[in-house]
Amino acid sequence: SAVISQKPSRDICQRGTSLTIQCQVDSQVTMMFWYRQQPGQSLTLIATANQGSEATYESGFVIDKFPISRPNLTFSTLTVSNMSPEDSSIYLCGAEENTEAFFGQGTRLTVV
Amino acid sequence: TQLLEQSPQFLSIQEGENLTVYCNSSSVFSSLQWYRQEPGEGPVLLVTVVTGGEVKKLKRLTFQFGDARKDSSLHITAAQPGDTGLYLCARPRGGAGNMLTFGGGTRLMVKP
Repeated sequence: SAVISQKPSRDICQRGTSLTIQCQVDSQVTMMFWYRQQPGQSLTLIATANQGSEATYESGFVIDKFPISRPNLTFSTLTVSNMSPEDSSIYLCGAEENTEAFFGQGTRLTVV
Repeated sequence: TQLLEQSPQFLSIQEGENLTVYCNSSSVFSSLQWYRQEPGEGPVLLVTVVTGGEVKKLKRLTFQFGDARKDSSLHITAAQPGDTGLYLCARPRGGAGNMLTFGGGTRLMVKP
């Protein structure tokens, strides 16, 4: 099974700034994806990211706000831009391997 | 959007009790997955069910897929404090990859 490392695990950021979250997979995977999770609630898909192509965003999420990079088959980043308190949430990266989804431990972001 | 409705949203029980969590939708699924998420961690896959009427057991956990493949249940026998967590059902969104749509989740607390 794929092991996913995500960092930072948590951060407190000032409004108006940006934070880049890194996601490293221990094996090559075709598809990676990013979810947002409000504390105690379910997961909402932000976008999927395939290596060599632009990320595909879900309704309500735009590239200017959540730019994603996928430079190779083991790594992806999500940037939360121009943050506001409403962006406070847990951000989870994930990857698919053999029809199973694996997730990192999440990044708990607090915007003050 | 094909929604997954989970019930109950929150459940607090004593150690040794039994419980059932439900995941329902008006749509037919090709498959359905159950995940458990512990605080500070990403969701971890428990089981995938694909056949209508299928029953799978994982130690004290019993998973059932409805005959019509529109609903599923998770039954825990003799719950332990280690079962505490957020239980999520999820279905494939369709298309390439295995991006998932998650249910609202059931937060289970098992008191010793």
